[in-house]
Amino acid sequence: GAVVSQHPSRVICKSGTSVKIECRSLDFQATTMFWYRQFPKQSLMLMATSNEGSKATYEQGVEKDKFLINHASLTLSTLTVTSAHPEDSSFYICSARDIDRSTTNYGYTFGSGTRLTVV
Amino acid sequence: SQKIEQNSEALNIQEGKTATLTCNYTNYSPAYLQWYRQDPGRGPVFLLLIRENEKEKRKERLKVTFDTTLKQSLFHITASQPADSATYLCALDPGDKIIFGKGTRLHILP
Repeated sequence: GAVVSQHPSRVICKSGTSVKIECRSLDFQATTMFWYRQFPKQSLMLMATSNEGSKATYEQGVEKDKFLINHASLTLSTLTVTSAHPEDSSFYICSARDIDRSTTNYGYTFGSGTRLTVV
Repeated sequence: SQKIEQNSEALNIQEGKTATLTCNYTNYSPAYLQWYRQDPGRGPVFLLLIRENEKEKRKERLKVTFDTTLKQSLFHITASQPADSATYLCALDPGDKIIFGKGTRLHILP
C-alpha cells in the first residue's frame, strides 16, 4: 500500500533556530501534500496545502513566514519552522495525496508525525 | 464554516462489547466521510470510507453508517478488544483537503 515517510520522528531544537521536516511519498506520486499540527489531546489542525511546483496555500491564522513549505517534486515536501519558539512545540503530521484518486481512501496517506520540542 | 463534532471525548467499553462512536457535521454536504485510527505519538491510519450514496460499510469487526439527512456517521467496533484502544477520528473533505473532528479516545477495558 501507499507509504508516506516523515523525518525526523523527533527533534529538539533551541529557541531561535530553524527546523526542517521532510515528507516523502515512497511508492506513489503526490501532486498535493498537506501539513497538520496537533497539540496534546487535540485534533489535527490543517496548516497548509502544498502543490508541487507552486506556492503553498495556508489556512487562516497560520504564519507563512514562520512555517515555510517547499514542494519541489512529486515525492517530497518540506516544512521549515523558522525562528522556533517554545510555543511551536507540537506534533507535526504530513499527508500526501496520490495522483491516482481511485484508491480506497481517495488517495490520502499520512506520515507518522514529527514531535518538535523547542527549548 | 464546516464543523465536525465527535461528541464523546473519551469512551470506556468492556472487552467483548460493541463500541459505538458518533460523528456529526454541519454546514456541509460531503460526498464521502472517512474514519481513521490514531495511536499516541503516531499519524492517523485510514480505516474506512463511506460515500454519500452508501448507508453502511463493513470491514471485519468494523462497521460505519452514514445518514446524510441527520448529517451523522456512526462507527462501530464489534467484539471489542484491548488492542482496539486508540483515538478514532472522523474526517471530511470540504474540497480537496481533509479536515478532522477532535476524535474520541476509546478505552477497551479487559
